[in-house]
Amino acid sequence: DSGVTQTPKHLITATGQRVTLRCSPRSGDLSVYWYQQSLDQGLQFLIQYYNGEERAKGNILERFSAQQFPDLHSELNLSSLELGDSALYFCASGGGATNEKLFFGSGTQLSVL
Amino acid sequence: AQSVAQPEDQVNVAEGNPLTVKCTYSVSGNPYLFWYVQYPNRGLQFLLKYITGDNLVKGSYGFEAEFNKSQTSFHLKKPSALVSDSALYFCAVRHSKAAGNKLTFGGGTRVLVKP
Repeated sequence: DSGVTQTPKHLITATGQRVTLRCSPRSGDLSVYWYQQSLDQGLQFLIQYYNGEERAKGNILERFSAQQFPDLHSELNLSSLELGDSALYFCASGGGATNEKLFFGSGTQLSVL
Repeated sequence: AQSVAQPEDQVNVAEGNPLTVKCTYSVSGNPYLFWYVQYPNRGLQFLLKYITGDNLVKGSYGFEAEFNKSQTSFHLKKPSALVSDSALYFCAVRHSKAAGNKLTFGGGTRVLVKP
């Protein structure tokens, strides 16, 4: 068990809809990272938050947004969903130092029909 | 820009034989390199990391990796593969704190160990 909790595990929705994915980091970790895993794009970094503030941005679509709350949990909001958004979305947390590893949740499998 | 590449999409090996999964890197400054494994329907699990020091790094489940600066490689190895090692393996580089400390992953290599 990595200590990172993601809910829900599975999400099935229709095109055009909006969904929210939730992540609780390991106790004590201030950083949360969101990744998208798809067959054609591999593992893509989306966005990072550190102690409530956005720290780094990757290949995140404008239809997607995220936030980190005072209790350090994070939510990834995906709107105007398209078929191509179907993927496995991972959250990770970890220490603040570059030489420290990240811990990954088990992911949310999103299926857009 | 920091990046890693995994040249093989899939590696097939017989159980008991040595396993090697290749990774090359391109980084500016000191490389912080990682290997993760993903089993079916699971999240990524940390195997090992290279920060500095010995070029041979030992990790979980009997895996090790060799850092080679002249060849800019960080290949993952296991002397004797098990069927249970069948999984998806990712090499990754961690960016500097200024860049958010994020991990950038290679494309992944699927390992299939046959009995």
